[in-house]
Amino acid sequence: AQKVTQAQTEISVVEKEDVTLDCVYETRDTTYYLFWYKQPPSGELVFLIRRNSFDEQNEISGRYSWNFQKSTSSFNFTITASQVVDSAVYFCALTSGTYKYIFGTGTRLKVLA
Amino acid sequence: DAGITQSPRHKVTETGTPVTLRCHQTENHRYMYWYRQDPGHGLRLIHYSYGVKDTDKGEVSDGYSVSRSKTEDFLLTLESATSSQTSVYFCAISEYVALGYEQYFGPGTRLTVT
Repeated sequence: AQKVTQAQTEISVVEKEDVTLDCVYETRDTTYYLFWYKQPPSGELVFLIRRNSFDEQNEISGRYSWNFQKSTSSFNFTITASQVVDSAVYFCALTSGTYKYIFGTGTRLKVLA
Repeated sequence: DAGITQSPRHKVTETGTPVTLRCHQTENHRYMYWYRQDPGHGLRLIHYSYGVKDTDKGEVSDGYSVSRSKTEDFLLTLESATSSQTSVYFCAISEYVALGYEQYFGPGTRLTVT
């Protein structure tokens, strides 16, 4: 069975601090895809990134970076120099390319001014 | 922008009444999904569709039915709404993009059953 665990329910940081959101996954499939989504207070679900299992390169996009480690089954998300606009719930998700996407329960990030 | 719209965006209904939520997409995606989002549960799959008239159940399908008579429309029906179905409902599509699958969501429908 597949599973995604986001152990951090809520994180609070002060603006400009760096913050890492953890995601640990379980799957027996050799090919799979990992995702991060952002859900701001307005409620929509915004796609941030996809990482394929066969590509372990880390990725950086502006203040966002993602660390994919197959050895520890983790796909962590770091926000550098956090801003108030980063306040949101962040979801990690997994699929093996079938219909089924498995979501974690989300981490609520509060960035305080 | 995956071209997904949901209607209505907000609805209040009474227990026991039928309710239909509509998901419309403009880009001919084969796979469509209905999820519900509740505090502490993340996103849970209700039903999904892999083509016109091809649908299947997800993990929380009891009390819900779906239909897909056209590629662009995926309807979710609550046969007889209950207070436990008060939730935010998201429609999604899945597509194969650049060597991988990606899922995109509609704006959501907030349903309150009184």
